[in-house]
Amino acid sequence: GQQLNQSPQSMFIQEGEDVSMNCTSSSIFNTWLWYKQDPGEGPVLLIALYKAGELTSNGRLTAQFGTTRKDSFLNISASIPSDVGIYFCAGLNAGGTSYGKLTFGQGTILTVHP
Amino acid sequence: GAGVSQSPRYKVAKRGQDVALRCDPISGHVSLFWYQQALGQGPEFLTYFQNEAQLDKSGLPSDRFFAERPEGSVSTLKIQRTQQEDSAVYLCASSLRVSAYEQYFGPGTRLTVT
Repeated sequence: GQQLNQSPQSMFIQEGEDVSMNCTSSSIFNTWLWYKQDPGEGPVLLIALYKAGELTSNGRLTAQFGTTRKDSFLNISASIPSDVGIYFCAGLNAGGTSYGKLTFGQGTILTVHP
Repeated sequence: GAGVSQSPRYKVAKRGQDVALRCDPISGHVSLFWYQQALGQGPEFLTYFQNEAQLDKSGLPSDRFFAERPEGSVSTLKIQRTQQEDSAVYLCASSLRVSAYEQYFGPGTRLTVT
């Protein structure tokens, strides 16, 4: 099935560093979402973006909805050990017959060294 | 409050066996989704329910996969004559509204077919 292209695939950083990851698609989405998944758990919603060009923050997390509607970016500032996990982007075309079906990226594995 | 729960958390099936996976969504949530997550990949959409109606089953990989939500709450995903390629984590998500912008995921059921 279709998946979004998410990069980088993995990151190894020192505690306190900032992190950037992005997600691109060949298709337009009208909603972008970012999730975090810990081992053995389901994805947890971090940020939702509803409008092209929108910049939204949630604590140390900031995400942007690309102006082309085909990409999105997630930044984490001043990383801490509990930021470790897999980050997924997801695109959604709400309305019509899509019924909120999410299309996910392959994930970015984040490791934070204390 | 209680989140989405799934059972069993782990299931080992011999090739050819039938399995049934259960999802208890958040009480009152109208929308329910099933996703399949292969190792090292993002979740992929399987099917969608709005209350008891299955409105989208376009992601079900074969006619061996069947899902139901007869009373609009608990849902069951059934896989008949399991194959090794069915090994994956099966995630259930629910959303309060039909537009389903924000989906809350359960912990998943890890299915291993031997």
